[in-house]
Amino acid sequence: RKEVEQDPGPFNVPEGATVAFNCTYSNSASQSFFWYRQDCRKEPKLLMSVYSSGNEDGRFTAQLNRASQYISLLIRDSKLSDSATYLCVVNFSNTGKLIFGQGTTLQVKP
Amino acid sequence: DTGVSQNPRHKITKRGQNVTFRCDPISEHNRLYWYRQTLGQGPEFLTYFQNEAQLEKSRLLSDRFSAERPKGSFSTLEIQRTEQGDSAMYLCASSGAKRKGLAGDLGELFFGEGSRLTVL
Repeated sequence: RKEVEQDPGPFNVPEGATVAFNCTYSNSASQSFFWYRQDCRKEPKLLMSVYSSGNEDGRFTAQLNRASQYISLLIRDSKLSDSATYLCVVNFSNTGKLIFGQGTTLQVKP
Repeated sequence: DTGVSQNPRHKITKRGQNVTFRCDPISEHNRLYWYRQTLGQGPEFLTYFQNEAQLEKSRLLSDRFSAERPKGSFSTLEIQRTEQGDSAMYLCASSGAKRKGLAGDLGELFFGEGSRLTVL
Protein backbone atom coordinates (compact mmCIF):
# COMPACT_ATOMS: atom_id res chain seq x y z
CA ARG A 1 0.00 0.00 0.00
CA LYS A 2 1.30 3.44 -0.89
CA GLU A 3 1.99 5.78 2.01
CA VAL A 4 -0.23 8.49 0.52
CA GLU A 5 -2.82 7.63 -2.12
CA GLN A 6 -4.85 9.85 -4.39
CA ASP A 7 -7.15 9.28 -7.33
CA PRO A 8 -5.03 10.60 -10.23
CA GLY A 9 -8.06 11.68 -12.26
CA PRO A 10 -8.16 13.63 -14.47
CA PHE A 11 -11.23 15.44 -13.24
CA ASN A 12 -12.81 17.42 -16.06
CA VAL A 13 -15.39 19.89 -14.79
CA PRO A 14 -17.18 22.96 -16.18
CA GLU A 15 -16.57 26.40 -14.77
CA GLY A 16 -18.63 26.98 -11.66
CA ALA A 17 -18.74 23.34 -10.65
CA THR A 18 -17.90 22.01 -7.22
CA VAL A 19 -15.28 19.29 -7.14
CA ALA A 20 -13.85 17.19 -4.34
CA PHE A 21 -10.56 15.34 -4.09
CA ASN A 22 -9.75 12.61 -1.62
CA CYS A 23 -6.53 11.34 -0.15
CA THR A 24 -5.78 8.44 2.19
CA TYR A 25 -2.61 7.89 4.21
CA SER A 26 -1.20 4.75 5.74
CA ASN A 27 0.53 5.96 8.91
CA SER A 28 -1.91 6.56 11.73
CA ALA A 29 0.77 8.48 13.64
CA SER A 30 0.92 11.19 10.99
CA GLN A 31 0.97 14.67 12.46
CA SER A 32 0.45 17.28 9.77
CA PHE A 33 -1.39 17.44 6.48
CA PHE A 34 -1.31 19.78 3.52
CA TRP A 35 -2.56 20.36 0.02
CA TYR A 36 -0.10 21.62 -2.57
CA ARG A 37 -0.85 22.81 -6.06
CA GLN A 38 1.39 22.15 -9.04
CA ASP A 39 0.90 23.88 -12.37
CA CYS A 40 2.13 22.23 -15.54
CA ARG A 41 5.95 22.30 -15.70
CA LYS A 42 6.17 24.28 -12.48
CA GLU A 43 7.22 23.49 -8.94
CA PRO A 44 4.64 22.60 -6.26
CA LYS A 45 3.38 25.40 -4.02
CA LEU A 46 1.47 25.26 -0.77
CA LEU A 47 -2.26 25.69 -1.22
CA MET A 48 -3.36 25.18 2.36
CA SER A 49 -2.70 23.29 5.55
CA VAL A 50 -5.33 20.87 6.83
CA TYR A 51 -6.42 21.24 10.44
CA SER A 52 -8.23 18.69 12.59
CA SER A 53 -11.36 20.79 12.79
CA GLY A 54 -11.42 21.44 9.07
CA ASN A 55 -10.59 24.79 7.53
CA GLU A 56 -11.64 27.04 4.72
CA ASP A 57 -9.81 29.52 2.55
CA GLY A 58 -12.13 31.28 0.16
CA ARG A 59 -13.51 28.71 -2.27
CA PHE A 60 -11.31 25.95 -0.84
CA THR A 61 -12.26 23.73 2.09
CA ALA A 62 -10.00 21.08 3.58
CA GLN A 63 -11.09 18.36 5.97
CA LEU A 64 -9.31 15.67 7.96
CA ASN A 65 -10.73 12.41 9.27
CA ARG A 66 -8.08 10.84 11.50
CA ALA A 67 -10.15 7.74 12.26
CA SER A 68 -10.39 6.87 8.58
CA GLN A 69 -6.95 8.33 7.74
CA TYR A 70 -8.53 10.44 5.06
CA ILE A 71 -8.11 14.02 3.85
CA SER A 72 -10.28 15.91 1.41
CA LEU A 73 -10.17 19.12 -0.58
CA LEU A 74 -13.34 20.76 -1.85
CA ILE A 75 -13.25 23.47 -4.49
CA ARG A 76 -16.41 25.49 -4.99
CA ASP A 77 -17.27 27.63 -8.00
CA SER A 78 -14.36 26.30 -10.06
CA LYS A 79 -12.41 28.79 -12.17
CA LEU A 80 -10.38 28.13 -15.29
CA SER A 81 -7.33 29.14 -13.26
CA ASP A 82 -7.93 26.25 -10.84
CA SER A 83 -6.73 23.83 -13.54
CA ALA A 84 -3.67 22.17 -12.04
CA THR A 85 -2.52 19.07 -10.19
CA TYR A 86 -3.41 18.94 -6.51
CA LEU A 87 -0.98 17.06 -4.27
CA CYS A 88 -1.85 15.65 -0.89
CA VAL A 89 1.10 15.86 1.54
CA VAL A 90 1.51 14.12 4.89
CA ASN A 91 4.12 14.65 7.60
CA PHE A 92 4.78 11.10 8.73
CA SER A 93 6.64 11.94 11.90
CA ASN A 94 7.84 14.75 14.10
CA THR A 95 11.14 14.62 12.26
CA GLY A 96 9.75 16.50 9.31
CA LYS A 97 9.61 13.87 6.59
CA LEU A 98 6.93 14.99 4.12
CA ILE A 99 5.41 12.46 1.76
CA PHE A 100 3.51 13.46 -1.37
CA GLY A 101 0.68 11.62 -3.06
CA GLN A 102 0.81 11.15 -6.82
CA GLY A 103 -1.51 14.09 -7.36
CA THR A 104 -4.99 14.60 -8.78
CA THR A 105 -5.29 16.50 -12.03
CA LEU A 106 -8.11 19.00 -12.43
CA GLN A 107 -9.11 20.50 -15.75
CA VAL A 108 -11.75 23.22 -15.59
CA LYS A 109 -13.40 23.89 -18.94
CA PRO A 110 -15.36 26.95 -20.09
CA ASP B 1 16.56 36.56 -1.09
CA THR B 2 15.07 35.25 -4.30
CA GLY B 3 14.01 31.83 -3.13
CA VAL B 4 15.40 28.34 -3.62
CA SER B 5 17.93 28.09 -6.41
CA GLN B 6 18.94 24.91 -8.23
CA ASN B 7 21.56 24.26 -10.86
CA PRO B 8 22.07 23.11 -13.41
CA ARG B 9 18.53 23.41 -14.66
CA HIS B 10 19.08 20.76 -17.27
CA LYS B 11 21.63 17.98 -17.49
CA ILE B 12 22.00 15.44 -20.28
CA THR B 13 24.46 12.67 -19.63
CA LYS B 14 25.40 9.24 -20.87
CA ARG B 15 24.64 6.11 -18.90
CA GLY B 16 27.43 5.35 -16.44
CA GLN B 17 28.50 8.95 -15.88
CA ASN B 18 28.30 10.74 -12.54
CA VAL B 19 26.23 13.89 -12.10
CA THR B 20 25.96 16.43 -9.30
CA PHE B 21 23.17 18.88 -8.60
CA ARG B 22 23.38 21.87 -6.31
CA CYS B 23 20.66 23.51 -4.24
CA ASP B 24 20.84 26.87 -2.48
CA PRO B 25 17.93 27.14 -0.04
CA ILE B 26 16.27 30.24 1.37
CA SER B 27 18.91 31.57 3.72
CA GLU B 28 16.96 31.49 6.99
CA HIS B 29 15.64 27.96 6.41
CA ASN B 30 17.20 25.12 8.38
CA ARG B 31 15.53 22.21 6.62
CA LEU B 32 16.41 21.13 3.12
CA TYR B 33 14.72 18.37 1.13
CA TRP B 34 15.46 16.50 -2.07
CA TYR B 35 12.66 14.95 -4.11
CA ARG B 36 12.52 13.24 -7.48
CA GLN B 37 9.56 13.60 -9.81
CA THR B 38 8.66 11.79 -13.02
CA LEU B 39 5.82 12.55 -15.41
CA GLY B 40 2.40 11.90 -13.93
CA GLN B 41 3.73 11.21 -10.44
CA GLY B 42 4.01 13.27 -7.31
CA PRO B 43 7.39 14.21 -5.86
CA GLU B 44 9.11 11.14 -4.40
CA PHE B 45 10.99 11.75 -1.14
CA LEU B 46 14.74 11.12 -1.38
CA THR B 47 16.32 12.66 1.71
CA TYR B 48 16.29 15.66 3.99
CA PHE B 49 18.57 17.67 6.26
CA GLN B 50 18.11 19.74 9.35
CA ASN B 51 21.05 22.13 9.28
CA GLU B 52 24.00 19.92 8.29
CA ALA B 53 22.55 16.68 9.67
CA GLN B 54 20.99 14.24 7.21
CA LEU B 55 17.98 13.02 9.19
CA GLU B 56 16.49 10.51 6.82
CA LYS B 57 17.16 8.88 3.49
CA SER B 58 14.60 6.96 1.48
CA ARG B 59 14.99 3.19 1.63
CA LEU B 60 14.22 3.19 -2.08
CA LEU B 61 17.37 5.14 -2.78
CA SER B 62 20.28 3.08 -4.01
CA ASP B 63 23.83 3.54 -2.82
CA ARG B 64 24.55 5.39 -6.05
CA PHE B 65 22.79 8.42 -4.60
CA SER B 66 24.44 10.60 -1.99
CA ALA B 67 23.61 14.01 -0.62
CA GLU B 68 25.54 16.43 1.51
CA ARG B 69 24.96 19.72 3.25
CA PRO B 70 28.39 20.37 4.76
CA LYS B 71 27.85 23.78 6.31
CA GLY B 72 24.13 23.69 6.76
CA SER B 73 23.58 26.02 3.83
CA PHE B 74 23.72 24.73 0.23
CA SER B 75 23.36 21.05 -0.57
CA THR B 76 24.59 18.75 -3.32
CA LEU B 77 23.00 15.59 -4.66
CA GLU B 78 25.32 13.24 -6.51
CA ILE B 79 24.27 10.30 -8.64
CA GLN B 80 27.02 7.90 -9.53
CA ARG B 81 26.99 5.54 -12.51
CA THR B 82 23.75 6.97 -13.83
CA GLU B 83 21.11 4.68 -15.34
CA GLN B 84 18.29 5.52 -17.72
CA GLY B 85 15.84 5.02 -14.88
CA ASP B 86 17.42 7.99 -13.10
CA SER B 87 15.97 10.35 -15.70
CA ALA B 88 13.64 12.66 -13.79
CA MET B 89 13.21 16.13 -12.38
CA TYR B 90 15.17 16.53 -9.15
CA LEU B 91 13.50 19.02 -6.86
CA CYS B 92 15.00 20.74 -3.87
CA ALA B 93 12.89 22.44 -1.21
CA SER B 94 13.59 24.27 2.02
CA SER B 95 11.53 25.08 5.08
CA GLY B 96 11.76 26.27 8.65
CA ALA B 97 13.54 29.07 10.42
CA LYS B 98 17.16 29.17 11.44
CA ARG B 99 17.00 32.00 13.89
CA LYS B 100 14.87 32.38 17.00
CA GLY B 101 12.02 34.73 16.55
CA LEU B 102 11.58 33.93 12.91
CA ALA B 103 8.23 32.22 12.96
CA GLY B 104 7.81 29.70 10.23
CA ASP B 105 5.36 27.04 9.28
CA LEU B 106 7.71 24.08 9.22
CA GLY B 107 5.31 22.30 6.99
CA GLU B 108 5.52 24.74 4.12
CA LEU B 109 8.09 23.72 1.58
CA PHE B 110 9.47 26.27 -0.82
CA PHE B 111 10.62 24.51 -3.95
CA GLY B 112 13.24 25.42 -6.48
CA GLU B 113 12.48 25.12 -10.19
CA GLY B 114 14.22 21.75 -10.32
CA SER B 115 17.09 20.15 -12.18
CA ARG B 116 15.99 17.97 -15.07
CA LEU B 117 18.21 14.94 -15.68
CA THR B 118 18.17 13.01 -18.94
CA VAL B 119 20.28 9.85 -19.08
CA LEU B 120 20.90 8.57 -22.59
